[in-house]
Amino acid sequence: AQTVTQSQPEMSVQEAETVTLSCTYDTSESDYYLFWYKQPPSRQMILVIRQEAYKQQNATENRFSVNFQKAAKSFSLKISDSQLGDAAMYFCAYRFQGANAGGTSYGKLTFGQGTILTVHP
Amino acid sequence: GAGVSQTPSNKVTEKGKYVELRCDPISGHTALYWYRQSLGQGPEFLIYFQGTGAADDSGLPNDRFFAVRPEGSVSTLKIQRTERGDSAVYLCASSLLWLAGGPYNEQFFGPGTRLTVL
Repeated sequence: AQTVTQSQPEMSVQEAETVTLSCTYDTSESDYYLFWYKQPPSRQMILVIRQEAYKQQNATENRFSVNFQKAAKSFSLKISDSQLGDAAMYFCAYRFQGANAGGTSYGKLTFGQGTILTVHP
Repeated sequence: GAGVSQTPSNKVTEKGKYVELRCDPISGHTALYWYRQSLGQGPEFLIYFQGTGAADDSGLPNDRFFAVRPEGSVSTLKIQRTERGDSAVYLCASSLLWLAGGPYNEQFFGPGTRLTVL
């Protein structure tokens, strides 16, 4: 079974500074996606960034970038120029990208425990 | 609406009662997922539907939990004989295609239903 671990229950950063959130995962599969989701107090889960396992290049979305180390099974999120609106719970998630014998895709996400990010003005 | 909607937003019930939680996915999305999020934890997978059928219900904790999607759009999660341990936020997500890879499998989440069992 796949597992996702976030070892930082809480992190804080000053506005305009950079912060890195850590995530490790365990899987025996080679074809998968990794995600970072943001969940503000409204509970709405918002996709921040995704990484396909077969791609060596790290994904980037504006101020958000990842450091994907496939061999080490590590997937960290870097937030640059932090803004007050970045404050939220952040979840790392894994999804197997293959298909079962019936040809259907395993769509379920496996989430880590989350990291609460506080941004100080 | 444009996004996934869930009703009710909050539900308070007494131990032993029956509850139904509703999810309206994004129009045209064939895949629908239910997750449960306990306080301070990450969401945990419960069940997912491809069209009308449950393709994977391995996350349902016991036979008190059941979900349906009779017409391939709206889904209802049903919990019988509720227990205090069922208290959590129940999240629903939908995606456009369950078979293709890439962005077509991106899951869009609703705001969740907070269930409190007294």
